[in-house]
Amino acid sequence: GAVVSQHPSRVICKSGTSVKIECRSLDFQATTMFWYRQFPKKSLMLMATSNEGSKATYEQGVEKDKFLINHASLTLSTLTVTSAHPEDSSFYICSAESGGEETQYFGPGTRLLVL
Amino acid sequence: GESVGLHLPTLSVQEGDNSIINCAYSNSASDYFIWYKQESGKGPQFIIDIRSNMDKRQGQRVTVLLNKTVKHLSLQIAATQPGDSAVYFCAENESSGTYKYIFGTGTRLKVLA
Repeated sequence: GAVVSQHPSRVICKSGTSVKIECRSLDFQATTMFWYRQFPKKSLMLMATSNEGSKATYEQGVEKDKFLINHASLTLSTLTVTSAHPEDSSFYICSAESGGEETQYFGPGTRLLVL
Repeated sequence: GESVGLHLPTLSVQEGDNSIINCAYSNSASDYFIWYKQESGKGPQFIIDIRSNMDKRQGQRVTVLLNKTVKHLSLQIAATQPGDSAVYFCAENESSGTYKYIFGTGTRLKVLA
């Protein structure tokens, strides 16, 4: 149980284009999903917290217009990197937790490379 | 600000030996702690958790110890195997009602054959 998937697992795009990453909880309903960014050999940095049916809460320094988050259902959250630039290249990981349970279960991550 | 940190960035252990990975935290209000394992190119995998009302919790080959007096968390892996090679992160729950985690910097565990 508690499986989280991400799609795509890897994406390469041109500078200036937008990329959408999906995060799905496969066998449970996720009232809250989290989006993280991870640079090589570094720890996870929380970008935003996403609650189903409401606006995401962004961490300080994360541009909400740059990283659009939509949590339209209890099993799906999406992160759209708008007008991507090479500095946006990173490993993006989502996690999900079911209502009231503090444990976060992580997806496999999405490797984004912006050329 | 308050943070979670690790003492050792890299730990090399002989196969079959026990591993101990340490973590220091500074937020005395945190009440939930988790250890994750992350293999290269993959997302973090839940290993074991512990609440602040406990000092020790055991799983399969793993034990987490919590010392609230010195704000220290450790992960013990018994009979370390090559498949245990990964980066291990501790995380604490801010206990703010939002279930946000603060992650430590990570320790790379290398298992030597």
